[in-house]
Amino acid sequence: DVKVTQSSRYLVKRTGEKVFLECVQDMDHENMFWYRQDPGLGLRLIYFSYDVKMKEKGDIPEGYSVSREKKERFSLILESASTNQTSMYLCATYSSPADNEQFFGPGTRLTVL
Amino acid sequence: GQSLEQPSEVTAVEGAIVQINCTYQTSGFYGLSWYQQHDGGAPTFLSYNALDGLEETGRFSSFLSRSDSYGYLLLQELQMKDSASYFCAVRNFNKFYFGSGTKLNVKP
Repeated sequence: DVKVTQSSRYLVKRTGEKVFLECVQDMDHENMFWYRQDPGLGLRLIYFSYDVKMKEKGDIPEGYSVSREKKERFSLILESASTNQTSMYLCATYSSPADNEQFFGPGTRLTVL
Repeated sequence: GQSLEQPSEVTAVEGAIVQINCTYQTSGFYGLSWYQQHDGGAPTFLSYNALDGLEETGRFSSFLSRSDSYGYLLLQELQMKDSASYFCAVRNFNKFYFGSGTKLNVKP
């Protein structure tokens, strides 16, 4: 079974702090994604990575950056957290274009005060 | 850009059949996926349609019409445990774009 883990289930940070969210997968998947989920808006793609050190912006990259130094690890960074970044953050992976299923981590609920 | 529309909420009784529709507009299309998410849980994959027609997996079926940019998820013999949110997602090569989700309430 694919396992996707996220560093924290709940996180509370203050405005202006630098925040790191980490995602680790154990199935050697090339593609990894960061989404944020807000009520009524579904899942919105922030960034994704198709290989080590490779990244591509999603629909809402502003205020975020990412890092993928190792294949199994994909980090989302909030350079200076703001209250409008309070949300549920979901990491996902999938193997290749031949595959159709994304595997999601349990999510990190981030609150920025 | 991409946009997907699905109803925000649907209510049905146990044992019934329910259909959740999804219409999409997209600049590139490889296929349509469906995911289920229980409250507090992660989305889990249900089905994927790349070609027109119906795909059946147990009590769940998914349909796609590429010419109409439309698909649906059909849930039969509803059970209480089917109460969850259901998301359609368009795949454009190796990116996925999700709808806003349909909350399904199953009543006894």
